[in-house]
Amino acid sequence: GEDVEQSLFLSVREGDSSVINCTYTDSSSTYLYWYKQEPGAGLQLLTYIFSNMDMKQDQRLTVLLNKKDKHLSLRIADTQTGDSAIYFCAESNYGQNFVFGPGTRLSVLP
Amino acid sequence: EAGVAQSPRYKIIEKRQSVAFWCNPISGHATLYWYQQILGQGPKLLIQFQNNGVVDDSQLPKDRFSAERLKGVDSTLKIQPAKLEDSAVYLCASSPGTKDYEQYFGPGTRLTVT
Repeated sequence: GEDVEQSLFLSVREGDSSVINCTYTDSSSTYLYWYKQEPGAGLQLLTYIFSNMDMKQDQRLTVLLNKKDKHLSLRIADTQTGDSAIYFCAESNYGQNFVFGPGTRLSVLP
Repeated sequence: EAGVAQSPRYKIIEKRQSVAFWCNPISGHATLYWYQQILGQGPKLLIQFQNNGVVDDSQLPKDRFSAERLKGVDSTLKIQPAKLEDSAVYLCASSPGTKDYEQYFGPGTRLTVT
């Protein structure tokens, strides 16, 4: 079946940039998403990118997509303690066949 | 705009018992999803509805899990009988079903099977 992989942990200092990486296997993926999950809460959509784009910027968030290598990254500029959470990468094919990665736990150190 | 509502928030049952979860999506959202999230893992799609029809239930363990979406609005997910490995958070999400297929998630129901 299709698979999405992420590194499980990332630790950064407050004020630094965070880069969370993701790889996927489904070449028919049309949308790729980044979700944030805080303890005891559901998932919150942060941003997404359509597969014909290379980059998308939204305030402190920058998404880079390398479709050839099936690699997606999320950069968070000026990381704050409130950014500490689990970040999930996900893919879908026009809103179907959603597959999520295992999540990357981001810890922001003061 | 009200978000996705789920109930109950927590449920503890013994194995072989039955349990049901309820979801009320965002008003007007045509697509509804149920996910299972086991501790330490990403959500796994169980079933996807478009209005009141099933779009994808390929990962739903149909021998024990069932789901319905009455009148294309609310949905219930049932497990009968429950197994220990069903302990997880069950997440409901809804989407307008158009544009970029953004999903909006509810807070989830945490199920513990003892």
